[in-house]
Amino acid sequence: DSGVTQTPKHLITATGQRVTLRCSPRSGDLSVYWYQQSLDQGLQFLIQYYNGEERAKGNILERFSAQQFPDLHSELNLSSLELGDSALYFCASSVEGSSTDTQYFGPGTRLTVL
Amino acid sequence: AQKVTQAQTEISVVEKEDVTLDCVYETRDTTYYLFWYKQPPSGELVFLIRRNSFDEQNEISGRYSWNFQKSTSSFNFTITASQVVDSAVYFCALSEASGGSYIPTFGRGTSLIVHP
Repeated sequence: DSGVTQTPKHLITATGQRVTLRCSPRSGDLSVYWYQQSLDQGLQFLIQYYNGEERAKGNILERFSAQQFPDLHSELNLSSLELGDSALYFCASSVEGSSTDTQYFGPGTRLTVL
Repeated sequence: AQKVTQAQTEISVVEKEDVTLDCVYETRDTTYYLFWYKQPPSGELVFLIRRNSFDEQNEISGRYSWNFQKSTSSFNFTITASQVVDSAVYFCALSEASGGSYIPTFGRGTSLIVHP
């Protein structure tokens, strides 16, 4: 158990809908990262937050947005969902969010868009 | 642009065999970091190792060892005396230092199957 929690574990929804994925980092970690893992694209970095502020952005679609709240939990919002958004979404956390940090991953949320 | 290539899609071995997972990377930066992660069937990603570009020392941790060679842009991972519990997908990743943070690029992963 990494100490990172993600909810829900599974999510099934329809095209065009909007969903919110939630992540709670390990106690003491200030930085949160979001990743998408799909068969087509592999494992891709989406976005990083550090202490409430966006720090780095990867291949995140405009239909996706995220934020980190004062209690350091983070939410990833996916809107206007398409079939291709079906994937495993991981959240990870680290202490400072620097390149020397170790990232600890949550169990993931499996999103299925029908 | 940074790129990570794991040419081996799947490797199948019998328990107690040694196995090496290859990772070749491309980067224009002189400062970068290399990682290996393990994704067992349960799905969770487990961090294994981080290496910075200035440290070419090989590392050994139990049955795991890593060989970093800048001359060939490779960061290979060897499991000695493999066990069934080593069956997983292994990812190599690269990040370039950028403004104090980094954006990692992952390889496509190598699926290791260890048969009893």
